[in-house]
Amino acid sequence: AQSVTQLGSHVSVSEGALVLLRCNYSSSVPPYLFWYVQYPNQGLQLLLKYTSAATLVKGINGFEAEFKKSETSFHLTKPSAHMSDAAEYFCAVTSGADGLTFGKGTHLIIQP
Amino acid sequence: DAGVIQSPRHEVTEMGQEVTLRCKPISGHDYLFWYRQTMMRGLELLIYFNNNVPIDDSGMPEDRFSAKMPNASFSTLKIQPSEPRDSAVYFCASSGDRGHTEAFFGQGTRLTVV
Repeated sequence: AQSVTQLGSHVSVSEGALVLLRCNYSSSVPPYLFWYVQYPNQGLQLLLKYTSAATLVKGINGFEAEFKKSETSFHLTKPSAHMSDAAEYFCAVTSGADGLTFGKGTHLIIQP
Repeated sequence: DAGVIQSPRHEVTEMGQEVTLRCKPISGHDYLFWYRQTMMRGLELLIYFNNNVPIDDSGMPEDRFSAKMPNASFSTLKIQPSEPRDSAVYFCASSGDRGHTEAFFGQGTRLTVV
């Protein structure tokens, strides 16, 4: 079984500041990890994914995440926040033998 | 491809009524997933299909919920009878495999049971 914990249901940053959204996972087998973004009244869109290749993964819209096995973490970062980044972000894990298990989500607020 | 298509986008129904949610996955995808999103419980996997066959329905909350996939291009999620606590956004997603690659999500159906 696997699980995901996202620290902070709400994160607020100033426009231009660093974005850091935290995700810790639990998995009994090597995991596949994902970050999805959800804009209001929309479905989920994939930002990036880790599938056991490079530990630093680059995604769309300038986001990246680093897989750290020793810390069981997969934190999402972006060097400079933009107003359009305001959305709900979900971390997800799968062992590859079942569907995705999602975290509770982090609402990212961008202050002008 | 138009992506995963769900209908209706919004559904308001009275308690006790039957509700049917529909999903058309992306052509060629072998896996189809139904998720439910609520404020309290977040995103929960209800059931998923592989090649039209239900593989894991352990997330289906009660016998009132049922899902079918009669062919590769269509799936339904039915609630009968509906209850107010079923109010949520229901998402359908499809994937080329169980999770190694991207799961594409539909825009969801917002269900309100009054």
